[in-house]
Amino acid sequence: KQEVTQIPAALSVPEGENLVLNCSFTDSAIYNLQWFRQDPGKGLTSLLLIQSSQREQTSGRLNASLDKSSGRSTLYIAASQPGDSATYLCAVRGPGGYNKLIFGAGTRLAVHP
Amino acid sequence: NAGVTQTPKFQVLKTGQSMTLQCAQDMNHNSMYWYRQDPGMGLRLIYYSASEGTTDKGEVPNGYNVSRLNKREFSLRLESAAPSQTSVYFCASTPAGSQPQHFGDGTRLSIL
Repeated sequence: KQEVTQIPAALSVPEGENLVLNCSFTDSAIYNLQWFRQDPGKGLTSLLLIQSSQREQTSGRLNASLDKSSGRSTLYIAASQPGDSATYLCAVRGPGGYNKLIFGAGTRLAVHP
Repeated sequence: NAGVTQTPKFQVLKTGQSMTLQCAQDMNHNSMYWYRQDPGMGLRLIYYSASEGTTDKGEVPNGYNVSRLNKREFSLRLESAAPSQTSVYFCASTPAGSQPQHFGDGTRLSIL
């Protein structure tokens, strides 16, 4: 059974720092991996989606990498800002089914001025 | 540009009451999903509908039923609510294939 773990559970950094959020999964047979952002009281917003054949994806200050063989993904946030404060979740899609996602519990990020 | 709309946003029920959570998307997406999110845990899939007219169980379907009313709407029903069903419920949709899922803002449900 696929399990997704995110470490750390919470992170507090000063503005301007570069930071890395980690995601690990137990079954390397994934179709893709997705990073989401969740603001308090809101739904999830998709940030980056990496197909199993890809190594990384970039969007602005965000860069996500995928090492399928070791069961790991990282989300790199450059030059963090207070507006980046949110919970970040990763989710993997297995090879079967209709885009069914298995989520990690998330990393709660606080960026303070 | 509404995207995925969930109603209601908040609800308090008593044990044993029934309720239907509504979800509608205006993006002409084929697939729709219901998740629950509990503190300290990731989202868990309750039911999904790959296309209009089909529904399938996810990871935690017990105690729930769903209806894909048409392409736009996918409802989740609790027939006899239990305190263990206190959670935040999210609806999501996706066009087809390996596309990102779009989420609603959630329904916060408390069962006393």
